[in-house]
Amino acid sequence: EAGVAQSPRYKIIEKRQSVAFWCNPISGHATLYWYQQILGQGPKLLIQFQNNGVVDDSQLPKDRFSAERLKGVDSTLKIQPAKLEDSAVYLCASSSHSGYTFGSGTRLTVV
Amino acid sequence: GENVEQHPSTLSVQEGDSAVIKCTYSDSASNYFPWYKQELGKGPQLIIDIRSNVGEKKDQRIAVTLNKTAKHFSLHITETQPEDSAVYFCAASWVTGGGNKLTFGTGTQLKVEL
Repeated sequence: EAGVAQSPRYKIIEKRQSVAFWCNPISGHATLYWYQQILGQGPKLLIQFQNNGVVDDSQLPKDRFSAERLKGVDSTLKIQPAKLEDSAVYLCASSSHSGYTFGSGTRLTVV
Repeated sequence: GENVEQHPSTLSVQEGDSAVIKCTYSDSASNYFPWYKQELGKGPQLIIDIRSNVGEKKDQRIAVTLNKTAKHFSLHITETQPEDSAVYFCAASWVTGGGNKLTFGTGTQLKVEL
């Protein structure tokens, strides 16, 4: 089966600019997650969707981050405005009863 | 919420030796403990997992043990090879019908030297 697709792979922006990341999960996976992985740390959950509804967004900095999952398939994560500390890899994952799969991530550098 | 601690942060072994990475978790409700391998520029890849109703699981050169009472779990890699060099993460989760949020450890950089 095809894996979790993410784009872009890399993004460099200036602080206070906005940026968006896209994720296409494995077909049929109802649950989709966005994780933030800061260099040298483990991934940290930002938001979890079940179909197109939010299950957990308690760790999402809602003053600057937003996410949506249209029609229960693809998802976008947006940051506006970006701060230097948002520099990280943003990982998308999807899961079903058969397993949990991560994409390769988008590496964001805020300068 | 759940908190996962992982040790050591770096581990260097000779090819053919064994490697052990240890994790502790805080939430007794956690019932699923996966281990991930992450290579440079890639997302984490599941290598083995264990559920709380099992004490040990083995898959070829990789094994995981779980001590629910002490809230410890460990990854054991035997006969290490250079391709085992990567960052390894443990995680803990409470699996529900609506998916499961993973809480990760801080990672172990494993280097297998020739």
